[in-house]
Amino acid sequence: EAQVTQNPRYLITVTGKKLTVTCSQNMNHEYMSWYRQDPGLGLRQIYYSMNVEVTDKGDVPEGYKVSRKEKRNFPLILESPSPNQTSLYFCASSHIGTGGTGELFFGEGSRLTVL
Amino acid sequence: KQEVTQIPAALSVPEGENLVLNCSFTDSAIYNLQWFRQDPGKGLTSLLLIQSSQREQTSGRLNASLDKSSGRSTLYIAASQPGDSATYLCAVSNNDMRFGAGTRLTVKP
Repeated sequence: EAQVTQNPRYLITVTGKKLTVTCSQNMNHEYMSWYRQDPGLGLRQIYYSMNVEVTDKGDVPEGYKVSRKEKRNFPLILESPSPNQTSLYFCASSHIGTGGTGELFFGEGSRLTVL
Repeated sequence: KQEVTQIPAALSVPEGENLVLNCSFTDSAIYNLQWFRQDPGKGLTSLLLIQSSQREQTSGRLNASLDKSSGRSTLYIAASQPGDSATYLCAVSNNDMRFGAGTRLTVKP
């Protein structure tokens, strides 16, 4: 089954404790990206990657890191989480064709709470 | 900077009505536009993707149109059903993706 898998789905942590949210896709997609969704602010892009070893900042990259060492994986790293990073996080992926990115497939989301 | 606006923010209709959701964007230099559905607490599901060279796409009771020059897209839902109740989001792509805030649709039985 084609899917984007995020882990963990739910996490409560404390300020400053490094954490990683994993994202894996099984569709051989070139494009992967991370978003956060907050009430009243909608979905905002954090980082995206056009292919292995290629990453770019989105609208809200501060406080986050990503890596794309393998095509299928795109982990989101919070080196020193702060309460303002409490949010619902989504990973997504798509093929890249002549018309740019294609249909975007989303993971189920990871709800992060930073105390 | 690309800005995406969706109107209305919320919509409540009786079952069976045809309805139109609106999406506008400020920069016409896009690769494509997508419409998504999001159920509470869930991820987004892609409904329709319109490439920049296309004018519309159809899937079942859904029809999406794109007027790139005017920066507008509409999602038409025919014969609405209670199961259509969800938040509908549009997003425009130019490698980075910009989302609208969504329209929360409620279809009453």
